[in-house]
Amino acid sequence: EADIYQTPRYLVIGTGKKITLECSQTMGHDKMYWYQQDPGMELHLIHYSYGVNSTEKGDLSSESTVSRIRTEHFPLTLESARPSHTSQYLCASEGNQETQYFGPGTRLLVL
Amino acid sequence: GQNIDQPTEMTATEGAIVQINCTYQTSGFNGLFWYQQHAGEAPTFLSYNVLDGLEEKGRFSSFLSRSKGYSYLLLKELQMKDSASYLCAVRDPDTNAGKSTFGDGTTLTVKP
Repeated sequence: EADIYQTPRYLVIGTGKKITLECSQTMGHDKMYWYQQDPGMELHLIHYSYGVNSTEKGDLSSESTVSRIRTEHFPLTLESARPSHTSQYLCASEGNQETQYFGPGTRLLVL
Repeated sequence: GQNIDQPTEMTATEGAIVQINCTYQTSGFNGLFWYQQHAGEAPTFLSYNVLDGLEEKGRFSSFLSRSKGYSYLLLKELQMKDSASYLCAVRDPDTNAGKSTFGDGTTLTVKP
């Protein structure tokens, strides 16, 4: 059983607000990822990190930013939320077994 | 880059066997994953193939042919709870971070 957590699970917020989606894992994994997924659609990689102080943009352009100050935490921030940001955001981490473990996801609705 | 193709939808009967195919065209290859994703939930890992051949794990098996750019996921003795989306993902070898590119997923519906 993987130990990876995301908060909040659900978030409804108004346009223009700053939000931070939290992701934490207790497995000591170096590699962590953020994906965006609309209902019934494919996963899109938006950010990834292969260790502390390393962050990279993924394949899908995103207005969000991430940080990796500690191994356990990989928060994603939207400085000014817009309705187009409405989606599900999935965090994942990967250890030496090359398997990605996904968190439960955050469903974001921007009004 | 990576291009991954899998059928959009499949339907099968409880107790039967179903094979979900995945083909890929990639600039590099470092393994292929299968994930299961129930509606509204996060994906969960099913299998990882890096060498050619069949990997069996209970009711689920995964096959890989690197020369053909082809994989399949085989589900035996289907149960209603197997109704889900099945994602094929190819690992990109070009980065230290081990990025994976996901296919669009195959929605499997198991009927009584």
